[in-house]
Amino acid sequence: SQTIHQWPATLVQPVGSPLSLECTVEGTSNPNLYWYRQAAGRGLQLLFYSVGIGQISSEVPQNLSASRPQDRQFILSSKKLLLSDSGFYLCAWSAGLAGGTIYTDTQYFGPGTRLTVL
Amino acid sequence: EDQVTQSPEALRLQEGESSSLNCSYTVSGLRGLFWYRQDPGKGPEFLFTLYSAGEEKEKERLKATLTKKESFLHITAPKPEDSATYLCAVHPTGNQFYFGTGTSLTVIP
Repeated sequence: SQTIHQWPATLVQPVGSPLSLECTVEGTSNPNLYWYRQAAGRGLQLLFYSVGIGQISSEVPQNLSASRPQDRQFILSSKKLLLSDSGFYLCAWSAGLAGGTIYTDTQYFGPGTRLTVL
Repeated sequence: EDQVTQSPEALRLQEGESSSLNCSYTVSGLRGLFWYRQDPGKGPEFLFTLYSAGEEKEKERLKATLTKKESFLHITAPKPEDSATYLCAVHPTGNQFYFGTGTSLTVIP
């Protein structure tokens, strides 16, 4: 069966510090991977998605970046955190298609990382 | 503009009192609609995927239905353990997924 891991679970960082959140998926190959942010009282916002190694698409302009160095590893980074970066960050995966396209298939979410920027 | 609206924002039910949650959407072509359950401090847990109007899916006390403009999540005889936030998401044409802000359900024993 497939499992998805995220770490750390919680993180408190000062403004201006760097960020690295990691997500790994087990039990599947060539998944589509996603990073979402969930702010209080707001719906999940898709930040990045990836259909393959080194292939990253950004949905929202911001000071965050994402990378996919391995098939089942997805990393969310920032060089300098802002107060507005605080939130609950969720990684998700869905089955991928050969040829690397997003199609409608269920997304499965990880446990999330609670980030507080002070 | 693509939008997803969930109602009500919060719902309190007595144990055994059935009700429905609504997810209305305006998107340019629907490729799929998803329901998730989210407990506080945790990631969303998948419940259902619906692809076309008229489709229905059931799981225990939950049943999801889909029309061309909205989806309902029916909860029959809820129990306290059904208390959670229920999220709706849609996948229109393109690669974006849109989530509603959720309905917070509290079931009172």
